[in-house]
Amino acid sequence: QQKVQQSPESLTVSEGAMASLNCTFSDGTSNNFRWYRQHSAKGLEVLVSIFSDGEKEEGRFTAHLNRANLHVSLHIREPQPSDSAVYLCAVSITSNNRIFFGDGTQLVVKP
Amino acid sequence: DAGVTQTPRHEVAEKGQTIILKCEPVSGHNDLFWYRQTKIQGLELLSYFRSKSLMEDGGAFKDRFKAEMLNSSFSTLKIQPTEPKDSAVYLCASSPGTEYQAPLFGEGTRLSVL
Repeated sequence: QQKVQQSPESLTVSEGAMASLNCTFSDGTSNNFRWYRQHSAKGLEVLVSIFSDGEKEEGRFTAHLNRANLHVSLHIREPQPSDSAVYLCAVSITSNNRIFFGDGTQLVVKP
Repeated sequence: DAGVTQTPRHEVAEKGQTIILKCEPVSGHNDLFWYRQTKIQGLELLSYFRSKSLMEDGGAFKDRFKAEMLNSSFSTLKIQPTEPKDSAVYLCASSPGTEYQAPLFGEGTRLSVL
């Protein structure tokens, strides 16, 4: 079964500094990767989806995928206190639509 | 656009009770997912429907958990009987079913079993 691991478990950054989150996965045939954000007591909000190696930017959020290294990352440019939330990595294989989630990174952005 | 709607937002149950959680997916979406979220286990898939047909029933959750999708615009998750370990947030998500469109999540139902 696919294993998805995120690091760090928690991250504190100052407002305006770049925040970088990491995600590793175990199944090299995975081809569908997403980053979600979850504010306290809320649902999951999709931030960026990436399907091939390289970079995908959505506003201040950029995902980098390296399937050979089984690694996908999320970089948040100029984070704001409102970005404080749990960030979840989601990995799937489109042929079966089964989505595996990491345990999340708790991001705190200090003013 | 209406998103995924889950009701109730909060539910408190006594051990042994039957509870039913409800989900209305985004109109036109073909896929519907039920997840359980806890701090220890994270997000666990309970059920997955495609065009109202059950594609996956979450294995370990079969005995007391039953998800149904009687029509394309409504799904229920029944837990019977409830146990204290069922205390969690239950999330419903729907998706158009194409590989490039992300599932959209509801805000969840927080269940407390006493």
